[in-house]
Amino acid sequence: GDSVTQMEGPVTLSEEAFLTINCTYTATGYPSLFWYVQYPGEGLQLLLKATKADDKGSNKGFEATYRKETTSFHLEKGSVQVSDSAVYFCALTQGGNMLTFGGGTRLMVKP
Amino acid sequence: DAGITQSPRHKVTETGTPVTLRCHQTENHRYMYWYRQDPGHGLRLIHYSYGVKDTDKGEVSDGYSVSRSKTEDFLLTLESATSSQTSVYFCAISESVSGQETQYFGPGTRLLVL
Repeated sequence: GDSVTQMEGPVTLSEEAFLTINCTYTATGYPSLFWYVQYPGEGLQLLLKATKADDKGSNKGFEATYRKETTSFHLEKGSVQVSDSAVYFCALTQGGNMLTFGGGTRLMVKP
Repeated sequence: DAGITQSPRHKVTETGTPVTLRCHQTENHRYMYWYRQDPGHGLRLIHYSYGVKDTDKGEVSDGYSVSRSKTEDFLLTLESATSSQTSVYFCAISESVSGQETQYFGPGTRLLVL
């Protein structure tokens, strides 16, 4: 079946550092890919998405490019802030009915 | 904000008791989902619904049942709660934008089974 693998956290960075959170997937078809963010005590919020190969999703300074050749969808941000501290989830869907999630990566940004 | 509310937001119960969690949406979405979140597992799908009285199982459906008697409400029932069902439960809806489905999540219900 489909699966998503994320780098294990926590990832600890200083403010203004560059962020990369790795995400790779296994899927039989051509999935849509997502990044969700969960702030402490809250539900998941959609951060960005990409629906086909070479698409780049972007939002709030975060970017991720759908790389079919490496089956990856790595999340990047050029300069993190303390307010970016959260848990980030990579996910995929085929046909839209069921999301398959990675285990989540906790990001901690220190001032 | 996809207009999703969940109730209760927190619940403590004892092993063997029945528990029902409610998900309510205000925007007439056809698809609704129940997930559980556990450390190291991300979110896993329990059940989903594709219309009134139309439901199907997800990855971790054992020990759970669902009902959808009207479009706006999707209920998750633990017939006899066990400690392994201690988790955070999230409801989601699916919205189609330009032909692409995207899921949006409610605020979650934290359940503790003693």
